[in-house]
Amino acid sequence: GAGVSQTPSNKVTEKGKYVELRCDPISGHTALYWYRQSLGQGPEFLIYFQGTGAADDSGLPNDRFFAVRPEGSVSTLKIQRTERGDSAVYLCASSLTGGAGETQYFGPGTRLLVL
Amino acid sequence: RKEVEQDPGPFNVPEGATVAFNCTYSNSASQSFFWYRQDCRKEPKLLMSVYSSGNEDGRFTAQLNRASQYISLLIRDSKLSDSATYLCVVNPASGGSYIPTFGRGTSLIVHP
Repeated sequence: GAGVSQTPSNKVTEKGKYVELRCDPISGHTALYWYRQSLGQGPEFLIYFQGTGAADDSGLPNDRFFAVRPEGSVSTLKIQRTERGDSAVYLCASSLTGGAGETQYFGPGTRLLVL
Repeated sequence: RKEVEQDPGPFNVPEGATVAFNCTYSNSASQSFFWYRQDCRKEPKLLMSVYSSGNEDGRFTAQLNRASQYISLLIRDSKLSDSATYLCVVNPASGGSYIPTFGRGTSLIVHP
C-alpha cells in the first residue's frame, strides 16, 4: 500500500511569511508524529497526534507553530511569521496505534528554506 | 546531558570490515529501542528493533544493556551499500505516550 506522503517536497519562503506543510499518513494509522531535522542532527520531536487530538505537543518550539489533524488522517503543520531558524527538513511519521514497540514509517519530508 | 547520545563519526571502514556503534540513553524508564537507517537526503527507515535478549538480522546484531543504559549495533562484513547514517531511537514512556527520542546519528562510510 501507499506509504506516508508529504507535500510540498520543497518550500522556499521569505522571513515573516506563513507556511503550511501537509502529511498524509498510512491508511489506518491512528498515531501521527511531526519532527524537525536540521543538518547533522537527528529528528527532533514536535507533536504527536492520536486520532484527531494532539496527545503531546511538548516539542513545539513556540506559539508560531501549530498543527491539526481534524479528521484523524491528514495533518497540517502551520508555521506563522517564519524565521530563518525555522529552515530545516520537516518529517512526518505514522504508526499503527502509537504503542511502545511499533515501527514508525516516515514520509520523505518537506525541505523548508526561509530566506 | 542529552537524552540519547551517539558518536557522530564518521566511521570510515573498508569493505568486509566489522564495525560497531554504541548509543547511550539517560532515561532509565525507557521502554523500547530501535536502530533506524537514514540515507543522504532521505527519510529514516527502520533497520531493526532492539530486544533485551539481543537480536540478529543477517549481518546486523543489536544488543541492549539496561544496567549501563546503552544499545549497540554491530555490522559484519560491511558492504558499500551500508554507507548511511544510523540513528539510535529510544522510546521513554511519558504520560501514557511513547515519544521516540532520536540520537543525532552515526555516519558510516564503507569504501572499496
